[in-house]
Amino acid sequence: AQTVTQSQPEMSVQEAETVTLSCTYDTSESDYYLFWYKQPPSRQMILVIRQEAYKQQNATENRFSVNFQKAAKSFSLKISDSQLGDAAMYFCACNTNAGKSTFGDGTTLTVKP
Amino acid sequence: GAGVSQSPRYKVAKRGQDVALRCDPISGHVSLFWYQQALGQGPEFLTYFQNEAQLDKSGLPSDRFFAERPEGSVSTLKIQRTQQEDSAVYLCASSFRTLGAQHFGDGTRLSIL
Repeated sequence: AQTVTQSQPEMSVQEAETVTLSCTYDTSESDYYLFWYKQPPSRQMILVIRQEAYKQQNATENRFSVNFQKAAKSFSLKISDSQLGDAAMYFCACNTNAGKSTFGDGTTLTVKP
Repeated sequence: GAGVSQSPRYKVAKRGQDVALRCDPISGHVSLFWYQQALGQGPEFLTYFQNEAQLDKSGLPSDRFFAERPEGSVSTLKIQRTQQEDSAVYLCASSFRTLGAQHFGDGTRLSIL
């Protein structure tokens, strides 16, 4: 079975500081992508960043970057220069080419002014 | 519109009634996913379509759940003889290809009384 585990139910960060959200996954597929999505309260889920598993280089998207450790099946998200608008629930997800899509239970991020 | 559209936004039904939830994906998106999201948890995969073909329905909780996408565009998730445990937010997502980033709708919040 494909699994995604987010071990931090809640995290908090001071505005302008850096925070890292953890994610581990397990899949038997060799062709898969990993994603981080953001879901603000009562709002739509949106993509933050994605990583193709075949790429060794870690993905970056402005203030967001990942640390992808394929052998360890680890995929953490780093948010630099945190802003109040970053407060949300963050989900890690694994998609395979077979269409299997698995999400973690999420990490609620609070940003303190 | 440019995004994924789901209707209705809210649905209240009595236990035992049948409900139908609609998803209108982004035009041209081949892949379509349905998820069930309980409060404070991550989306749970229900089913996946590639065009009109339902390639994975392993996440459907019971034979009371049925999904279709007859013309490879709009999809409907039907729940027959609803039960209280069916209460959740049902999310639809579409992507240009199977491993692409998923674009989510606002969801349908289903409450079974």
